[in-house]
Amino acid sequence: EAGVVQSPRYKIIEKKQPVAFWCNPISGHNTLYWYLQNLGQGPELLIRYENEEAVDDSQLPKDRFSAERLKGVDSTLKIQPAELGDSAVYLCASSLTGGVTEAFFGQGTRLTVV
Amino acid sequence: SQQGEEDPQALSIQEGENATMNCSYKTSINNLQWYRQNSGRGLVHLILIRSNEREKHSGRLRVTLDTSKKSSSLLITASRAADTASYFCATDNAGKSTFGDGTTLTVKP
Repeated sequence: EAGVVQSPRYKIIEKKQPVAFWCNPISGHNTLYWYLQNLGQGPELLIRYENEEAVDDSQLPKDRFSAERLKGVDSTLKIQPAELGDSAVYLCASSLTGGVTEAFFGQGTRLTVV
Repeated sequence: SQQGEEDPQALSIQEGENATMNCSYKTSINNLQWYRQNSGRGLVHLILIRSNEREKHSGRLRVTLDTSKKSSSLLITASRAADTASYFCATDNAGKSTFGDGTTLTVKP
């Protein structure tokens, strides 16, 4: 069984440019998470989906960040325009349901904004 | 701010020794999970302990939970060089997981 797949693995862009990350969760997992992880810190939740509904996006900077999960499967996270401070690793995770079950993480996308 | 705080921030031990990491949190939880992250990789789930449980074992891992003190500990026995990684606790409340900043464990061969 394939794990959570994220692409690209690495992305370097100039500030003010747009960028998008893609995530394919484990088949059958209803819950999908996007996290941001800065160097030396733990992951911080950006948004959580239950199927196609965003049930927690309180930490998503909505002025520049957007996300979607079409048909409750794949998801994309977009930043427009990117700022220098957005440089981080963006992790996608999925679980059968939210909270009680373990989350499976992808390898992340390392974003560098120059 | 992070809900969970791991202690110590860094730990260096010899192969074969035991490693203990602690996690403290501030608000009530439904369950607590421990994850491992190797450098440059995603997180891997290790163990989940529910709020009504006090101790769980999985192989060389032992996790305890003290809800009265709002703290948890992760013990890795007979450590191996391959255990070198960062370890994070994540507290779950109403479906929302909040991670601490982790303990970086180095196991020297």
